[in-house]
Order: sequence, then C-alpha cells, then structure tokens
Amino acid sequence: DGGITQSPKYLFRKEGQNVTLSCEQNLNHDAMYWYRQDPGQGLRLIYYSQIVNDFQKGDIAEGYSVSREKKESFPLTVTSAQKNPTAFYLCASTTSFGGHNEQFFGPGTRLTVL
Amino acid sequence: KNEVEQSPQNLTAQEGEFITINCSYSVGISALHWLQQHPGGGIVSLFMLSSGKKKHGRLIATINIQEKHSSLHITASHPRDSAVYICAVSGNTDKLIFGTGTRLQVFP
Repeated sequence: DGGITQSPKYLFRKEGQNVTLSCEQNLNHDAMYWYRQDPGQGLRLIYYSQIVNDFQKGDIAEGYSVSREKKESFPLTVTSAQKNPTAFYLCASTTSFGGHNEQFFGPGTRLTVL
Repeated sequence: KNEVEQSPQNLTAQEGEFITINCSYSVGISALHWLQQHPGGGIVSLFMLSSGKKKHGRLIATINIQEKHSSLHITASHPRDSAVYICAVSGNTDKLIFGTGTRLQVFP
C-alpha cells in the first residue's frame, strides 16, 4: 500500500535534547512538508522540500532542521533552540510542490518535552 | 483576523441530520481543500476544488469564488463522521493556509 509513515507515534524527550522525527513516503512524490499543530490553531508550515536535495524554510522554521537526501525520506530534527517544542507534528507530500495538488498526510507524531 | 475562518468551531448533531460547515477566506486562491482529521490525529484529504461543486458519497463540497466562501455538507450524518474538518486554501505563494477546524460530534 502506498502512503506516508511517521515514527514514532508518541515521543517523550527531556528539555535540551535534540530529537529527530521520521517521515517516509512510497508515493514517488517530489514534494514533502512538515507541519506543526497546536490546540486551537491551524496547521503551520515548518519546512518544505520541492525536490530531493532541496528544502526551504516555512513560516516557523526557527529551532528546527531538515534534510532531504533521498526522495522517500524527509526527517525533521527538533533542536534545543526550539522554545516550545511540545506539539503534534504532521508530515505530508504532494506529487509536485504547490497547494493546487492533493495533500497526502502521515499519521503524525506527538512530541512531549518534559 | 485569520486569512481562513471556519464556522462553527464546534458542532453536535443527531445521527441522520444534514450538516453544513462553512469556510471563508480573504486571499486569492488557486485551490481550496477540505480535510478530515480523525481522533487519532491522522488527516485525509476529502476534496480539492477551485470552482463549483464536488460530491463523494454523502459528502458535498461547494465553493463560491466571488464570495470567497466554501461549504462542506454531510447528508445523513453518522457517528463515524465524528472528526475535525479542516479547510485550507492555496494562495499566491502556493503554500497552504489552514483554518483552525470544526469539531463535529454525531450522536446515535
């Protein structure tokens, strides 16, 4: 089955530790995205990648980093510089970059920093 | 003011009722998306439209470009329709702008 996988589903970390969230897709999509969801707010774009070996900052990139070394994979690292990292993180992909394409989402990772 | 506004924020219904969720936006768009977020957090795309109306099963989505407004209708609602419904628009940056969602609960 084609789709997007994110792991783990729940993640707990101590304050000051970096943590990496996994996102893998087997849809052969060029574009991938990371969003953050907080209660009462709409999804906000952290980083996106239009094609392998390329990525761009979204609206709230501070304290996060990404890589896109393979088409299938777009891991997100939450660094200790992120002031309020506890949130629900969603990865998505589209055939090519742009909001005019159907969005495919992963199941999400809920990160709690203690 | 948010660029994408949804109403109502919360909605409860009895099984079988006709449901309408509204989305208004203030930017020029190339497409509007309706998404469904299940209690576990996963999101699925229901519709993507730029004009007119689309129907899939009991779900109908309409958009009025001139009025910058879209509606999502659910006919013969069922408890399994309980979820958060999210409207998102693609503006001139080609990135999505999301509404805050409408939480729907359908009771048997």
